[in-house]
Amino acid sequence: NAGVTQTPKFQVLKTGQSMTLQCAQDMNHEYMSWYRQDPGMGLRLIHYSVGAGITDQGEVPNGYNVSRSTTEDFPLRLLSAAPSQTSVYFCASSLGRGSLNTEAFFGQGTRLTVV
Amino acid sequence: TQLLEQSPQFLSIQEGENLTVYCNSSSVFSSLQWYRQEPGEGPVLLVTVVTGGEVKKLKRLTFQFGDARKDSSLHITAAQPGDTGLYLCAVQKSNSNSGYALNFGKGTSLLVTP
Repeated sequence: NAGVTQTPKFQVLKTGQSMTLQCAQDMNHEYMSWYRQDPGMGLRLIHYSVGAGITDQGEVPNGYNVSRSTTEDFPLRLLSAAPSQTSVYFCASSLGRGSLNTEAFFGQGTRLTVV
Repeated sequence: TQLLEQSPQFLSIQEGENLTVYCNSSSVFSSLQWYRQEPGEGPVLLVTVVTGGEVKKLKRLTFQFGDARKDSSLHITAAQPGDTGLYLCAVQKSNSNSGYALNFGKGTSLLVTP
């Protein structure tokens, strides 16, 4: 059972570079989201999607774009990397609207360093 | 303002000791979740509590939801090195547009040494 798969696991970028963090889930979950985790800040929501074709901003969306063309995939794009985006990024999925089960399944994370 | 306050922030104990960590808020929640995150991994759900006063047990871990559904505690009996990790409490965001987005506390980092 793959669950939620994130790639890459580690990445180093130079300031101003762009990249895409990949996230795929094989559980047919409706809801997907991206978080960043920083020391002393906990997990903060960047963007989320309640279904294919529908995305919205979380609490820290600036500098990031997302799209949801399929149920399975939810990539996160960094448009022009900045040192402040150095963090560990987690993708998560859950069953979504209409389900009483709100358990979130997380990927293993992508550790990003911007120099 | 942090919605969920977790305490203590750090805890270092020896194997066999008991411990309790807390998750507090001034808001009322319909449910609350506890996750454990091991180094280099994503959080994994331990339990969801729904009813005020509810107590759930998971082996040596005991979870309690406050009567007023504003707070929760996690008690570990006879801690083992395998319990080491970051313990996070989480609730669903109140904005209905955000669907099932979770709001996390900052976590309690637990280290259990042999």
